[in-house]
Amino acid sequence: GQQVMQIPQYQHVQEGEDFTTYCNSSTTLSNIQWYKQRPGGHPVFLIQLVKSGEVKKQKRLTFQFGEAKKNSSLHITATQTTDVGTYFCAGPNDYKLSFGAGTTVTVRA
Amino acid sequence: GAVVSQHPSWVICKSGTSVKIECRSLDFQATTMFWYRQFPKQSLMLMATSNEGSKATYEQGVEKDKFLINHASLTLSTLTVTSAHPEDSSFYICSAQTSSYNSPLHFGNGTRLTVT
Repeated sequence: GQQVMQIPQYQHVQEGEDFTTYCNSSTTLSNIQWYKQRPGGHPVFLIQLVKSGEVKKQKRLTFQFGEAKKNSSLHITATQTTDVGTYFCAGPNDYKLSFGAGTTVTVRA
Repeated sequence: GAVVSQHPSWVICKSGTSVKIECRSLDFQATTMFWYRQFPKQSLMLMATSNEGSKATYEQGVEKDKFLINHASLTLSTLTVTSAHPEDSSFYICSAQTSSYNSPLHFGNGTRLTVT
């Protein structure tokens, strides 16, 4: 079945720096979703991308959907301590969502 | 809007006992709810899809007699871990969609189960 691969698994970032996490699917996706899970918390929906090549921004977060709709990225600029957590991408798999392994972000002040 | 309430937040039980976890959609109706299990520092593993008024659909490898799911109304799904054992200790999270499939998931706060 459809699998969603996500890298890197861990990202240790200096406060103020930028970083990117990548998501790749083995099949074309109708849409891709991103979630954030804070330590000890539950996943929270961030955004959904539907169109080929789509780019959406949420303050310092930039989400991109590839032209072939098989990959996506999340870029965070000027990382802050509030960005700590695990970011998951998820793609539809029939009626379900298939989650990537997640990128766990830690920030050093 | 789109609030999902999960109860209890944490539970400790003895081996051999059963534990029921409730998942409620507070401000919307959810014909479908999803139950996930998450091990420390790992991703979300879908256990089953809970369908209102019908039997749950279990993922491969998930014992349906072990993890009983009931979706009696459009706002409530329950997961019962029967005859719990220490290896069932985990973080269980439910989620629901407000509309059609592939729409975003709204997660409950999760239940941390510890079986002693």
